[in-house]
Amino acid sequence: SQKIEQNSEALNIQEGKTATLTCNYTNYSPAYLQWYRQDPGRGPVFLLLIRENEKEKRKERLKVTFDTTLKQSLFHITASQPADSATYLCALDLVSGGYQKVTFGTGTKLQVIP
Amino acid sequence: NAGVMQNPRHLVRRRGQEARLRCSPVKGHSHVYWYRQLPEEGLKFMVYLQKENIIDESGMPKERFSAEFPKEGPSILRIQQVVRGDSAAYFCASSPQNRGGAFFGQGTRLTVV
Repeated sequence: SQKIEQNSEALNIQEGKTATLTCNYTNYSPAYLQWYRQDPGRGPVFLLLIRENEKEKRKERLKVTFDTTLKQSLFHITASQPADSATYLCALDLVSGGYQKVTFGTGTKLQVIP
Repeated sequence: NAGVMQNPRHLVRRRGQEARLRCSPVKGHSHVYWYRQLPEEGLKFMVYLQKENIIDESGMPKERFSAEFPKEGPSILRIQQVVRGDSAAYFCASSPQNRGGAFFGQGTRLTVV
């Protein structure tokens, strides 16, 4: 069956350290992979998109890797800050019936401790 | 430069009533998606619409739920004869094309009492 797995347990990290979040998937062949941030009571906010032929993408303190052989994406936040505390969602862009359809993982809650 | 606007933010309905959730996409975006989120769960795809057309409604229950995105006006997600299990946060997202990142609204939290 198809699955998108993110760390179900919250990730606690000290301020200033690098946070690494994992997204694993099975039985999917996504064209793109996206990462979103969601704060409590708010809608998700798009952060980064990486294509299947890209290995790595960076945006300011964020870095995403995409390994289609391992079927895994890693999401890194360097020099983490308490303001980075949120739930981070991985989403796969799948081509289905001639259009793309986005499927989300359940998210990983990140807590950055001052 | 307004983002995706959803209203109402909170909606309380008694069992058996109808719920109408509205979504105004980012200006110029013709692709709209509706998702449902339960506490501690991920976003579940419900329906994808492109101006006046339903492209994919595979995630929407066949009964009681319907969605539209008319030529003029907001997209509407309609739930008839609501039951307690319909209580959830419903998010709308829009994009200028059917690929890439989407812009999400702040959601409508539906509570069925």
